[in-house]
Amino acid sequence: EVQLVESGGGLAQPGGSLRLSCAASGFTFSNYGMNWVRQAPAKGLEWVSYISGNTRTLYYAESVKGRFTISRDNAKNSLYLQMNSLRDEDTAVYYCARRPYSSEGYWGQGTLVTVSS
Amino acid sequence: DIVLTQTPLSSPVTLGQPASISCRSSQSLVKSDGNTLLSWLQQRPGQPPRLLIYQISNRFSGVPDRFSGSGAGTDFTLKISRVEAEDVAVYYCMQATQFPYTFGQGTKLEIK
Repeated sequence: EVQLVESGGGLAQPGGSLRLSCAASGFTFSNYGMNWVRQAPAKGLEWVSYISGNTRTLYYAESVKGRFTISRDNAKNSLYLQMNSLRDEDTAVYYCARRPYSSEGYWGQGTLVTVSS
Repeated sequence: DIVLTQTPLSSPVTLGQPASISCRSSQSLVKSDGNTLLSWLQQRPGQPPRLLIYQISNRFSGVPDRFSGSGAGTDFTLKISRVEAEDVAVYYCMQATQFPYTFGQGTKLEIK
């Protein structure tokens, strides 16, 4: 069974940092590009970042470029999102998602990040 | 960036009646390989998004056949043939044809 379990969310101050993790199981993790997607409270979905299975290809939304870094450890079946210089507008539930456009699409349950002083 | 515009943003529907949601893209979603990566997602209250339809018209595993997708190029539609109580949710279209992936604003399906 495919499982994606996010963790690492919590309260951070503006300008602070957090590192999110997504633990994957039930599939060959290294074969899949992975995404982070977020959802601010009572708002719609916003794609944040993508990393290819071999880590060679990275993409970021303009809203997080230069502040967030996506990475993965295929030996640990884990996806990460290092979030620096956090802003109030980064407050959201963060989801990891595998190929959300295909027959192999799968979403995690999400982890809440709150940026507030 | 590709902009996806959904209509309506709210849809009150009677149980057992059909519902339809439109998604219009600011540019063609056809990739160079001929595929069109337009998906529909369902998000029930308090739940993560769930994939319903991928590549315009393919139902994801376990999705009831009352859900169907259609369209081409820049205009796409999600239809529910007979709305059930469990269909109360927000529905999003999403394009993965090019980065950044983008989503429609969401359509809230409510029961009259």
